[in-house]
Amino acid sequence: NAGVTQTPKFRVLKTGQSMTLLCAQDMNHEYMYWYRQDPGMGLRLIHYSVGEGTTAKGEVPDGYNVSRLKKQNFLLGLESAAPSQTSVYFCASSYSSGNGGYTFGSGTRLTVV
Amino acid sequence: AQTVTQSQPEMSVQEAETVTLSCTYDTSESDYYLFWYKQPPSRQMILVIRQEAYKQQNATENRFSVNFQKAAKSFSLKISDSQLGDAAMYFCAYRITQGDMRFGAGTRLTVKP
Repeated sequence: NAGVTQTPKFRVLKTGQSMTLLCAQDMNHEYMYWYRQDPGMGLRLIHYSVGEGTTAKGEVPDGYNVSRLKKQNFLLGLESAAPSQTSVYFCASSYSSGNGGYTFGSGTRLTVV
Repeated sequence: AQTVTQSQPEMSVQEAETVTLSCTYDTSESDYYLFWYKQPPSRQMILVIRQEAYKQQNATENRFSVNFQKAAKSFSLKISDSQLGDAAMYFCAYRITQGDMRFGAGTRLTVKP
């Protein structure tokens, strides 16, 4: 009963380095999302996908890219990390209808120094 | 744009007593869904309760209940018989069908023994 799996759970990057966060879900959900969580700001949507091969921008997309080549996977990339991207990142997935809520991954704590 | 406001950054309650967390939202939609999520120190996001806007009856899940006032765009969470394990960050969230979820900034609940 895996649900949504995020890797890695922790990471420290130097400014300018790149990295990819992986999200995998086994519930056959159509929709997948990447959020960042910062103190006092709740969760803010970075990018999302409504199906395999599709992606769209959320509230705070700058500095991030995403890809969804397979329905079960949603990748978040940082091409050139900045200290402002220090945050906790959450992946989530859902059915398309609104009443089901999200299933969340356990989060990735990223620190950019 | 839809926004969600949680006006109480922190709340405190004595064990076994009742506490109410406030949430208001702004939307022009008539059909939507509201949620409360709990985030304990483990960082995992846990769905506490959900409410469909078309339902007049307030949702209840064991010790958790909501007071949904659609005209006032208010969605408060009541926790009865508070337990030490209820201590966590609580997020109010809003979603429309086939849309993404928008979160409030969160309320940190402390439970005093």
